[in-house]
Amino acid sequence: EIVLTQSPGTLSLSPGERATLSCRASQSVSSNFLAWYQQKPGQAPRLLIYAASIRATGIPDRFSGSGSGTDFTLTISRLEPEDFAVYYCQQYGSSPLYTFGQGTKLDIK
Amino acid sequence: QVQLQESGPGLVKPSGTLSLTCAVSGGSISSDIWWSWVRQPPGKGLEWIGEIHHRGSSNYNPSLKSRVTISIDKSKNEFSLELKSVTAADTAVYYCVRHGFFSLEDWGQGTLVTASS
Repeated sequence: EIVLTQSPGTLSLSPGERATLSCRASQSVSSNFLAWYQQKPGQAPRLLIYAASIRATGIPDRFSGSGSGTDFTLTISRLEPEDFAVYYCQQYGSSPLYTFGQGTKLDIK
Repeated sequence: QVQLQESGPGLVKPSGTLSLTCAVSGGSISSDIWWSWVRQPPGKGLEWIGEIHHRGSSNYNPSLKSRVTISIDKSKNEFSLELKSVTAADTAVYYCVRHGFFSLEDWGQGTLVTASS
C-alpha cells in the first residue's frame, strides 16, 4: 500500500499570502494518478486538481499543482477567505486503488 | 452536471448490516464511468470503500472486502452499498462519488451512519 504523508498538519496564514502544501508518497506515483481535494466543514470534498497539475472544472487559477515521483505540491498563490479549509491528496493505482493523505488544515492566522 | 444523493438508515445496530443507496441524476449510470463509495469517520480522514462499473466489474478496499458489496441498478439509475457485521468503527459519513480521470470528481452531500445499540 502506498502511504501519502501530508505536511504540515496545520498551516496558519493570512488572506493574500501564498500557501504551499506538500504530499509525499512512500513509493513513486504516476503523475497521472495524483489528485487534490478541498473540504470545508460539513461539506463533501471538492476535486481541485487531477493528474497532479490539471485544474478541475471551475477551479480558480490561484490553485496550482506540481510534482512527480514521490513529491507533490499544491500551491494557492494568493489566499482568499474561502480557501481556509482542509486539503487532501489522493493517489490511484496501488491496492487499495484509492488512498488519501491525512490532510492539511489551512487556518486563518 | 451530475448530482448524487445518498439515502438510507442513519442508525445501524452493531453486528447488523449498513445499507445505502445513491441516486444519480443529470447523467446515466450506464456511461463508461466508475462509481465509488468513500467514508469519513467524524473528525477523521477519507477512506475509499470500493467502486463499481455498470458492466458489472467491482473493486474493493482489501481492509473491508470481506464485508462489503457494491451493486448497481441501471433501471433505477442508482448504485448501492452493503456493509455487514458493522461495529462502532464503521460510524462515519458515507459519500457516493462519480469518478473522473483517476480521481473522484462529483460527490454526494454525504450521509451520517451511526453504529450503535
